[in-house]
Amino acid sequence: AQSVTQPDIHITVSEGASLELRCNYSYGATPYLFWYVQSPGQGLQLLLKYFSGDTLVQGIKGFEAEFKRSQSSFNLRKPSVHWSDAAEYFCAVGDSGGGADGLTFGKGTHLIIQP
Amino acid sequence: EPEVTQTPSHQVTQMGQEVILRCVPISNHLYFYWYRQILGQKVEFLVSFYNNEISEKSEIFDDQFSVERPDGSNFTLKIRSTKLEDSAMYFCASSGIGGIGELFFGEGSRLTVL
Repeated sequence: AQSVTQPDIHITVSEGASLELRCNYSYGATPYLFWYVQSPGQGLQLLLKYFSGDTLVQGIKGFEAEFKRSQSSFNLRKPSVHWSDAAEYFCAVGDSGGGADGLTFGKGTHLIIQP
Repeated sequence: EPEVTQTPSHQVTQMGQEVILRCVPISNHLYFYWYRQILGQKVEFLVSFYNNEISEKSEIFDDQFSVERPDGSNFTLKIRSTKLEDSAMYFCASSGIGGIGELFFGEGSRLTVL
């Protein structure tokens, strides 16, 4: 069965500093990988996704993520965070065989931005 | 920009009561989903729906749950007899391309069971 691990429950970063949120997955085949962001009181918004090809993917809001098959990781990065980036971030894995199974989400990482 | 809309945003109900959560997916999408998020826990897949029938469902989606697309625009989740542990945020999502493309999520419906 597929699973997603986000080892950091909370991360605190100073505004303007760089950010890396960790995500490890367990999946037998080629995974489809996603990062979603959830701002307070909001739904889930897709930041970026990896299906195939270039292992470094660019997303919205200046985020990027790198797929490393050897490490089963898909870490999210941003070179300089803004106070508006404070939110909950979810990594998710999907079935490359089709969409019916939906996505499996990690438990999320709560990002706190210090002024 | 098209979006998924959910109603109600918050519902409080007594244990044992029936609840219907409503969703209007993006109009040209083909796959529809319900997820739930118990407070402080991860987002969990409940069910996917395609071509007017359930495609997949998780262990959480037991006989107390049902989904329906009654009129070609709405997508509903019904909980027949709510339990305390059904208290959660319920997210509807839709997808347009084979289901594994980007899932567009609604803002959620918070269900509180007393």
